[in-house]
Formats: sequence, structure tokens, C-alpha cells
Amino acid sequence: GAVVSQHPSWVICKSGTSVKIECRSLDFQATTMFWYRQFPKQSLMLMATSNEGSKATYEQGVEKDKFLINHASLTLSTLTVTSAHPEDSSFYICSASDRNEKLFFGSGTQLSVL
Amino acid sequence: DQQVKQNSPSLSVQEGRISILNCDYTNSMFDYFLWYKKYPAEGPTFLISISSIKDKNEDGRFTVFLNKSAKHLSLHIVPSQPGDSAVYFCAATEGGGTYKYIFGTGTRLKVLA
Repeated sequence: GAVVSQHPSWVICKSGTSVKIECRSLDFQATTMFWYRQFPKQSLMLMATSNEGSKATYEQGVEKDKFLINHASLTLSTLTVTSAHPEDSSFYICSASDRNEKLFFGSGTQLSVL
Repeated sequence: DQQVKQNSPSLSVQEGRISILNCDYTNSMFDYFLWYKKYPAEGPTFLISISSIKDKNEDGRFTVFLNKSAKHLSLHIVPSQPGDSAVYFCAATEGGGTYKYIFGTGTRLKVLA
């Protein structure tokens, strides 16, 4: 099946620094990728939809200047958490859709901001 | 407003018995539904899907049932195995190429050996 690679899987950073998370579709082209956030015992919350070559579409309540998304190619999307604070600590997951509209997920990134 | 709801946060089932996970939705425009399985600290993995033109889809031990009039779907796992212990999310989409999936809050299944 399709594979989506997400890196890093763990990151610990100091408050005020920026963190970049990469999401790659390894064996298919993904014109659309999605970024989710999950808090413990809660649903996957869609943060933004990333379309190759255009600006990301952010969900209500998600700060676009805080969570910068770049989808520079058909196989790579990045999420940068700028000036991270402890409340940004969470599990971030990307996903990409293949031509059959199935959604494949990366393995997630656990972000801990100290 | 939670458009996709999984009202049971957890479920425990004996090995070999049937596991039934339920999901309700409110948006009548949803026409494609999926179930995902998630282990701790991992991304969800696709399990099974169903289109609104069907009321049942089966794949091995997993069967999904869709009741459109009740806006309800369920995932049946039979027989349940300890390796099935995970969090199960149902998701729905309006389709039309939007790929925007709305997820439920998940049900943690524990299969007891």
C-alpha cells in the first residue's frame, strides 16, 4: 500500500523556537495533504489542508501564522510550528490522499515544548 | 458541533468474541465512510470503508454496516484477537474530491486474552 513518511517522530524543543515537521508520500503523488493534531483521548483534529503549489486552507481556530504549511511538491508538505510554546505540545499527524481517495497517514510527530 | 460521534470511549471484549464499534453522524451529505485503527504514538492505518450506496462491506474479520436512515455505522470484528486492541476512529466525508475527512473521537478497544 501507499506509504507516507513523517519526520521527525519525536522532537523536544525550548519555548520560543521553531520546529519543522516533514511529510512525504513515498510511492505516490499527493496533490492534497492534510495536517492533524491530536490531544490525548481526543479526536484527530484537522488543522489545515495543503494543496501543492497553493496556499494551505486552515480550519477555524487554527493560526496560520503559528502553523506554517508549505506544499512545495507533489510528494512533500512541511508544517512549521513557529515560536513554539508548551501549549503547542501535542501529537501532529499528516496524511495524504492517493488517486483512489484513500487517506494514508504518517506515523506522527510527538512535539514536546519545554 | 461534532458531526461524527463515537459515544463509547472504550470497549472490552473477550478474545474470540465479536467486537462491535459504533459511530453516528449528523451530516446527511456524508457519502463515504472509513474506519481507521490507531496504536499509541503511531498514525492511524486504514481498515475498511463503505460508500453510501452500500449497506455492508466485508473484509476478512472486519465488516462495516451502514444505516443511512439512522445515520449510523458500525464496525464488527469477529473473531476478536488481542492484536486488535487499539483505538478505532470512524471518519466521514462528503466526497466530491474534497478529501476532507471528519473524524469521530475514537473508541479504545481492548481484547482480553
